[in-house]
Amino acid sequence: AQTVTQSQPEMSVQEAETVTLSCTYDTSESDYYLFWYKQPPSRQMILVIRQEAYKQQNATENRFSVNFQKAAKSFSLKISDSQLGDAAMYFCAYRSRETSGSRLTFGEGTQLTVNP
Amino acid sequence: AAGVIQSPRHLIKEKRETATLKCYPIPRHDTVYWYQQGPGQDPQFLISFYEKMQSDKGSIPDRFSAQQFSDYHSELNMSSLELGDSALYFCASSSWDTADTQYFGPGTRLTVL
Repeated sequence: AQTVTQSQPEMSVQEAETVTLSCTYDTSESDYYLFWYKQPPSRQMILVIRQEAYKQQNATENRFSVNFQKAAKSFSLKISDSQLGDAAMYFCAYRSRETSGSRLTFGEGTQLTVNP
Repeated sequence: AAGVIQSPRHLIKEKRETATLKCYPIPRHDTVYWYQQGPGQDPQFLISFYEKMQSDKGSIPDRFSAQQFSDYHSELNMSSLELGDSALYFCASSSWDTADTQYFGPGTRLTVL
C-alpha cells in the first residue's frame, strides 16, 4: 500500500515571500501521479498542481511549482510571492496510474499561514 | 466551467437513522469517487465507480452502500448512523481526458446527533 507523509503540520510565510512545503511518499509502483490540493477555510478541495511520475520536468502553475525527486520519493511544493489568499491547509496526494478509477491517498496536511 | 454538484450541502440526522448523499459529476466525467473527512483529518477514500461499475473500494463500513446510475450521478447511502459518522463527505469526478485528475465537489457536512 502507498503512504504519503507531510512532516510539517504547520508553516508560516510573510506576504510576498517564498515558502516550500515538503512531502514524501512510499510506493513500489513506477507509474503514478502526484498532486497538491489546497483546502481553504471553506473546506473546498482545490487542485493546485499535478505531476506525472514519468515526466522528469517539474510541473509549474503560475506561482506554484514542484520539486519532484523520483528516486528520493520526494515531492515538494514551492509557493512564490505568497498572497493572503494562499492561506489554507495543503494536502499532498498520490494516485496509481496502473488502474483506472483508483483512489487518492493523502498526506496528513500542512496548515499554511500567510502573515501580512 | 461546470463543477461537481453535491446535495444536500448540510444534513443533520439522529443516531440509527438513514442518510442519502447525492453527487452529480462534471459533464462527460465517467468516474466518481467518495471520500470522508473527519475533523482535523485528511480525506479518506470510501469507494469509486467507473462506468457504473465499482472500480476501487476503501474502508467503507458495511452500513454504507453506493452506486452510480446511468446518467453517471452517484448516491451514497448510509444506514444505522453513528456519532462517528459525523464528517464532511466529498464526491470527486474524473475522466480519461483529464488524465484522471479528480475534481472535488463542495462536500456534504453530515452531523449525527
